[in-house]
Amino acid sequence: QKEVEQNSGPLSVPEGAIASLNCTYSDRGSQSFFWYRQYSGKSPELIMSIYSNGDKEDGRFTAQLNKASQYVSLLIRDSQPSDSATYLCAVNKSGGGGNKLTFGTGTQLKVEL
Amino acid sequence: EAGVAQSPRYKIIEKRQSVAFWCNPISGHATLYWYQQILGQGPKLLIQFQNNGVVDDSQLPKDRFSAERLKGVDSTLKIQPAKLEDSAVYLCASSRITEAFFGQGTRLTVV
Repeated sequence: QKEVEQNSGPLSVPEGAIASLNCTYSDRGSQSFFWYRQYSGKSPELIMSIYSNGDKEDGRFTAQLNKASQYVSLLIRDSQPSDSATYLCAVNKSGGGGNKLTFGTGTQLKVEL
Repeated sequence: EAGVAQSPRYKIIEKRQSVAFWCNPISGHATLYWYQQILGQGPKLLIQFQNNGVVDDSQLPKDRFSAERLKGVDSTLKIQPAKLEDSAVYLCASSRITEAFFGQGTRLTVV
């Protein structure tokens, strides 16, 4: 079982729609959860962090965390063509003297005009 | 605040040659990560430093890869000798507590 699992996609949504990206993780001791956006040929960019169960909203982005189900999601409202990118889910667990940050394989999002 | 700096941006070498990458983290960030990202995959952790100590190097191919972080600031990652399968983007990231920020990466092509 992979530590962090994501559907690789591509996920295609029309412009203006809600894009829903999902992620599951295997280690129940995980404490912090992140979404990164990665444009083709660029490095990952942190867009959302979430630490407790529930929803966290930042502009058009909402992160949702359910630790009981070991599930993290990212909703993008009013999707724009500029949102087309790969979205990486990352999970952090403390221990062994540091915070271990593990990434999923990413979901490719395509926002179509 | 300056971001994570990496150099070089691109490198092409022949197999069996050696190569080194450099990273300067964000000022004050104690944790430094080196990730390898192969096209179409997520970043894979190679080594993690907390100040100048190694926290995790379980996925570092130690027969050919080495890394150091002298004085708990800058870090270098070396590959010697390189193999074709080492072609990837090498990403450096740093964090103060939990949020990690990436540099632009070094794209390595081994021919």
